[in-house]
Amino acid sequence: EVQLLESGGDLVQPGESLRLSCAASGFTFSSSAMGWVRQAPGKGLEWVSVISGSGGSTYYADSVKGRFTISRDSSKNTVFLQLNSLRAEDTADYYCAKYSGTDKVFTHWGQGTLVTVSS
Amino acid sequence: SSELTQDPAVSVALGQTVRITCQGDSLRDYYGSWYQQKPGQAPVVVIYAKNTRPSGIPDRFSGSSSGNTISLTITGAQAEDEADYYCQSRDSSGNHLLFGGGTKLTVL
Repeated sequence: EVQLLESGGDLVQPGESLRLSCAASGFTFSSSAMGWVRQAPGKGLEWVSVISGSGGSTYYADSVKGRFTISRDSSKNTVFLQLNSLRAEDTADYYCAKYSGTDKVFTHWGQGTLVTVSS
Repeated sequence: SSELTQDPAVSVALGQTVRITCQGDSLRDYYGSWYQQKPGQAPVVVIYAKNTRPSGIPDRFSGSSSGNTISLTITGAQAEDEADYYCQSRDSSGNHLLFGGGTKLTVL
């Protein structure tokens, strides 16, 4: 059974940084692309980033490019999202998801971790 | 264009058929997917690759595509289908993913 468990969400001030983690199990992590999707309170889903299975390719939404960095550690079956220069509009639930590059779909999702940016 | 457009809200009578649509230029070139999200829960994919259902998704859910529009059809809607539905695809570059704004489905 695929399981994704996010952690690292917190209340931070504008301009601060945060690192989210997503521990994966139940599938061959090293060959699976992974991604992050966020959802602001009461709003819709917004794609944030995707990383290939090898980690060699990364993609970002324009809204976070240059501020967020996705990475992975296959020895720990974990994907990370480093959030820098946080803004109030980054406040959201951040979901980790397994991504199928073949079918271009997020096949499995974690339960999310809440990031709140407020002074 | 790099947007996917959905109607904000749709309603259907219990047991009837409802179609939820998603429009976008990129849908002419790329298949779309559909996710169901219930309050307080993570999204779940219900249709991908135009009309493929993951295991565990009831066969009352189906997908179709025509031109720049993809559709999710629920044939014989049940009370438990009341949820937000999001379409997802890629933009014209193929490297950026897109979500529609979501459709809130109410089952009457």
